[in-house]
Amino acid sequence: GESVGLHLPTLSVQEGDNSIINCAYSNSASDYFIWYKQESGKGPQFIIDIRSNMDKRQGQRVTVLLNKTVKHLSLQIAATQPGDSAVYFCAEKVENSGGYQKVTFGIGTKLQVIP
Amino acid sequence: EPEVTQTPSHQVTQMGQEVILRCVPISNHLYFYWYRQILGQKVEFLVSFYNNEISEKSEIFDDQFSVERPDGSNFTLKIRSTKLEDSAMYFCASSRRTEETQYFGPGTRLLVL
Repeated sequence: GESVGLHLPTLSVQEGDNSIINCAYSNSASDYFIWYKQESGKGPQFIIDIRSNMDKRQGQRVTVLLNKTVKHLSLQIAATQPGDSAVYFCAEKVENSGGYQKVTFGIGTKLQVIP
Repeated sequence: EPEVTQTPSHQVTQMGQEVILRCVPISNHLYFYWYRQILGQKVEFLVSFYNNEISEKSEIFDDQFSVERPDGSNFTLKIRSTKLEDSAMYFCASSRRTEETQYFGPGTRLLVL
């Protein structure tokens, strides 16, 4: 049946600590993964992406790790700040038979930063 | 920095009415998308659009939905006869190429009464 509402996993982190948000994906054909940040009342905001031929990619204060063997993706945020409080979605790009790609989102994890 | 814009930010409508949600994608982007997010749930893909035609649609995107690029800048989503369960946040997104990152607009919150 259809779920009425999802109870988001929540991660509470002290300001200044590092955060690790995990995501499992199911489609072994996915070759491109993205992390999005969604603040309350706003659209998803691109954070960082990684292609399946890589296992690690670093941005500013963020690192994404990809483990294709176990189909696992993680987002690490260094020195977490109050402004990092949001829901974080991992997303995978899947190509259809026509060569077009669509983004499939995971459930999301709510990050709460404790000042 | 260029961004995707959407209007209106909020729309309240009566069940059975038609609504048109508008989006202005980033100017040099060629691929356009609509997603929706029912309150408390995950973001769901509705449709992708390229070269003036639908390239993919989900099972949610039934005959009540249509998309159009009426001019060189706007991209619209029309719901012909709204239902209560259409109440959601609707996000437009665009990308320069299909394999590149999609950038999302701020969304339109649709409430069907």
